[in-house]
Amino acid sequence: DTAVSQTPKYLVTQMGNDKSIKCEQNLGHDTMYWYKQDSKKFLKIMFSYNNKELIINETVPNRFSPKSPDKAHLNLHINSLELGDSAVYFCASSQATYGYTFGSGTRLTVV
Amino acid sequence: GENVEQHPSTLSVQEGDSAVIKCTYSDSASNYFPWYKQELGKRPQLIIDIRSNVGEKKDQRIAVTLNKTAKHFSLHITETQPEDSAVYFCAASPLNGQNFVFGPGTRLSVLP
Repeated sequence: DTAVSQTPKYLVTQMGNDKSIKCEQNLGHDTMYWYKQDSKKFLKIMFSYNNKELIINETVPNRFSPKSPDKAHLNLHINSLELGDSAVYFCASSQATYGYTFGSGTRLTVV
Repeated sequence: GENVEQHPSTLSVQEGDSAVIKCTYSDSASNYFPWYKQELGKRPQLIIDIRSNVGEKKDQRIAVTLNKTAKHFSLHITETQPEDSAVYFCAASPLNGQNFVFGPGTRLSVLP
């Protein structure tokens, strides 16, 4: 069983569209995250979500919104997609003092 | 907030040689320092970590050292092999395992 799963793996869409990326973890972890990895491979945190507490990186545009229906899921919704949103988006989860487990990533291409 | 720097950005070594990647961090409250390896087209995977109460940790060919006073930590890979070629990320966590701040990554190439 995959510990942290993301869907879809690839997403190609036009500018202005709204899209969602889903993430599920079966590790029982308390905290989930979304990271954006740009073309230069920088990993930047977008959101973390722990026990209904959402911490937002202030640099993230409000077109991006996380939604967590339960502890095992943290989905990412993106409105009005822009060319600069093209990147690989990684979901991750963690528990207390242990490191992250990353999902396999979603490559988003906005055309 | 925490800021993590990482050097070098690229590193090429001959197979069998050692590789060293260094990171510095700014927040003295950080107490957990993991290292991740990301192969091309794949997810980052944890390879080793160290906590602030330890100065060195080793796992087979990889080791990490931490100097809390100077706020820097390093990854050492000995007897490098072609499969060690990847991008390596260091990270620092001020919340004991959560909300990592990653360094910008080091692209390691091991030449046969």
